[in-house]
Amino acid sequence: DQQVKQNSPSLSVQEGRISILNCDYTNSMFDYFLWYKKYPAEGPTFLISISSIKDKNEDGRFTVFLNKSAKHLSLHIVPSQPGDSAVYFCAAPSSARNQFYFGTGTSLTVIP
Amino acid sequence: GAGVSQTPSNKVTEKGKYVELRCDPISGHTALYWYRQSLGQGPEFLIYFQGTGAADDSGLPNDRFFAVRPEGSVSTLKIQRTERGDSAVYLCASSPTHSNTGELFFGEGSRLTVL
Repeated sequence: DQQVKQNSPSLSVQEGRISILNCDYTNSMFDYFLWYKKYPAEGPTFLISISSIKDKNEDGRFTVFLNKSAKHLSLHIVPSQPGDSAVYFCAAPSSARNQFYFGTGTSLTVIP
Repeated sequence: GAGVSQTPSNKVTEKGKYVELRCDPISGHTALYWYRQSLGQGPEFLIYFQGTGAADDSGLPNDRFFAVRPEGSVSTLKIQRTERGDSAVYLCASSPTHSNTGELFFGEGSRLTVL
């Protein structure tokens, strides 16, 4: 039962353009969402998060948007840079923070 | 180092053997998680420790898998009678107690290959 879903396994974007990565969830009790970035042979690293009381959180080139009615969030990267090429995971913790549910990831390639 | 350390980074074993994977979390982090990532999948929850106790082991797939954290710091994931389907990257993560940011700090993982 996949509670967090990323339906696009890969995305290619030209350097300087916007990258939009999407994530859907099924559990309406989720109150917090995170995006992690993963390079090959490394562990995931935290990128940005958003609380369910907000609909937008921005950190430099990275912005996460949350649409609770649609149970959908997206990560916008603008402008995209070649160093952004990585796998991006969307995640949500259980209410007790005992478990984090991860999507299957989207592999982003930024073409110079 | 200051990050989460996992050893070994790579382990190749034969079907039926016993394997131990070690995780050394960030100093002071009381929460410790084990995840498993198979090819093309996201990290899948295995077990969560708060201090020395396993607060949630609902993700362990069967009784061949066991994890300990006897002193509330280093944790060992133990897999008995390994099967080919156990092949995956095993990720360890730590965080301060119930971090409000929800941020997990991951190690680089231990890649297990069962032949």
